[in-house]
Amino acid sequence: NAGVTQTPKFRILKIGQSMTLQCAQDMNHNYMYWYRQDPGMGLKLIYYSVGAGITDKGEVPNGYNVSRSTTEDFPLRLELAAPSQTSVYFCASSLVGGAEAFFGQGTRLTVV
Amino acid sequence: DQQVKQNSPSLSVQEGRISILNCDYTNSMFDYFLWYKKYPAEGPTFLISISSIKDKNEDGRFTVFLNKSAKHLSLHIVPSQPGDSAVYFCAASVDGDMRFGAGTRLTVKP
Repeated sequence: NAGVTQTPKFRILKIGQSMTLQCAQDMNHNYMYWYRQDPGMGLKLIYYSVGAGITDKGEVPNGYNVSRSTTEDFPLRLELAAPSQTSVYFCASSLVGGAEAFFGQGTRLTVV
Repeated sequence: DQQVKQNSPSLSVQEGRISILNCDYTNSMFDYFLWYKKYPAEGPTFLISISSIKDKNEDGRFTVFLNKSAKHLSLHIVPSQPGDSAVYFCAASVDGDMRFGAGTRLTVKP
């Protein structure tokens, strides 16, 4: 099992560009999450999903969009990238809410 | 709104002694609480969790205590080992909404 796979690992975007961060899990988990971690800070919840077709906003959803068309995939879309979106992004999944979450290795995004 | 708070950015302990990491929360609806450990350039890894209906959960050297009336939880590591040096995050969850604290950097000195 690969667990949670995030692609790409690194990316540099120019202001105003768009991109999609990919996240896939092969554990048949119902719950999936997107977090961002700024330097020296904790993880901030962007969006989460409790199952295919269901998504909810977290603490910091502005500037991002998600979709969950399958159990396995939970892509995060950045529209009109801004320097404030420079961060490390982590995707995670768990079988149910409150259960241990498995995290991907992260995507380091820089917006210049 | 910061619903989960870890007020100690860092903690240093001697090998073999107890490490106590603290966490406070504001949302009384949280029903699960978790601790994660993180190394640089890696995703967090799960350590231990506790349901809101319990006040203690133990797993080897790690014990989590929950005080619901104070909205406070703590992680005890006994005995501490140099390999425990990492950043520890407290998290709280309700209905899939899982929030994290800012983390505490633990350093265990040989």
